[in-house]
Amino acid sequence: GESVGLHLPTLSVQEGDNSIINCAYSNSASDYFIWYKQESGKGPQFIIDIRSNMDKRQGQRVTVLLNKTVKHLSLQIAATQPGDSAVYFCAENNYGQNFVFGPGTRLSVLP
Amino acid sequence: GAGVSQSPRYKVAKRGQDVALRCDPISGHVSLFWYQQALGQGPEFLTYFQNEAQLDKSGLPSDRFFAERPEGSVSTLKIQRTQQEDSAVYLCASSPSAGLEQYFGPGTRLTVT
Repeated sequence: GESVGLHLPTLSVQEGDNSIINCAYSNSASDYFIWYKQESGKGPQFIIDIRSNMDKRQGQRVTVLLNKTVKHLSLQIAATQPGDSAVYFCAENNYGQNFVFGPGTRLSVLP
Repeated sequence: GAGVSQSPRYKVAKRGQDVALRCDPISGHVSLFWYQQALGQGPEFLTYFQNEAQLDKSGLPSDRFFAERPEGSVSTLKIQRTQQEDSAVYLCASSPSAGLEQYFGPGTRLTVT
């Protein structure tokens, strides 16, 4: 498939290390946030979500942190694997149907 | 089970041509969304359907863009008189309910020459 984005910020990590991907969101009224993973030639795939009444949520190998004071969201991936290489997007939702996506970060896992 | 499918996967159109992009949502999903994703950017909302009703079309960039979902299942995004700036990946997503849980298709990459 074709690349999702050729000029995205890139985070390179060694296989087995932890990754932290950051996102600044725009709307202080947003109440729901999702992290998506997008591999080349595919649509975004849900990773983890968090509501605004929480500041941390954990999944399998992933953790999302929400700091509403500074409108910042982060995704932590533990023991990063080659299959984690992709573009990661945060998306915010404000009590409505329309998600607003961030610009994305490309994660590159080095062997 | 089958996910969201989109066709064609790739479309090359000459400037000025009309194109139609198809989305087959997951069976039974009530909500359907269209997004436009330019190269190097995140998806941007275009329009939203609940069953056959188009509840929000605020993201459609111009009146050349038109979407329909006549029977509340398959949806078509039509772009008339395509322009080079229409070149992008067009993503469709469906949701079983109000839309927070969205399942994306693989997208259609449109290139306007």
